[in-house]
Amino acid sequence: GAVVSQHPSRVICKSGTSVKIECRSLDFQATTMFWYRQFPKQSLMLMATSNEGSKATYEQGVEKDKFLINHASLTLSTLTVTSAHPEDSSFYICSARDWDTTYTEAFFGQGTRLTVV
Amino acid sequence: QQPVQSPQAVILREGEDAVINCSSSKALYSVHWYRQKHGEAPVFLMILLKGGEQKGHEKISASFNEKKQQSSLYLTASQLSYSGTYFCGTEESAGNNRKLIWGLGTSLAVNP
Repeated sequence: GAVVSQHPSRVICKSGTSVKIECRSLDFQATTMFWYRQFPKQSLMLMATSNEGSKATYEQGVEKDKFLINHASLTLSTLTVTSAHPEDSSFYICSARDWDTTYTEAFFGQGTRLTVV
Repeated sequence: QQPVQSPQAVILREGEDAVINCSSSKALYSVHWYRQKHGEAPVFLMILLKGGEQKGHEKISASFNEKKQQSSLYLTASQLSYSGTYFCGTEESAGNNRKLIWGLGTSLAVNP
């Protein structure tokens, strides 16, 4: 099956710094990637839809200037958490779907555990 | 509209069966089922499409009642490895770049 690789898996950063998370589709072209945030024992909260070559579509309540998304190629999308604060600590997961196949299940990256200290 | 999952939590002994339901207030094009273990990303289980097609693997089955706008996931003869949180994701229409709307999850614990 298709593979989505997310890096890093864990990151600890100081308050006020920025963190970049990468999401790559390894064996298919992902024109669209989805970025989620997940708090402990809660569901996946969609933050934004990343579109290759165009601006990301953010969900209501998600700060565009704080969570910068770049989708420069068909296989790579990045999420940058700018000026991170402890309340940004969370599990961030990306997902992509291979629209060229009949059954378009969502493939998830491994997730990134962000801790802001 | 977020789908509603029930029950919220299930505790089983190994070998027992369980059913997890996912209901939507809107007409659905497809329903996806995933299992997530603590600290890991969700793993694909099943996809059920409008019209009856489905794709899945493992010893898990599911149904999709389009008229009732609901899906059920059947876990039979549960194994310890089935433990985790089960999420359903729904789509309301066909077409590329559509997003999945996720339920709140059902926590399943299988004990020896």
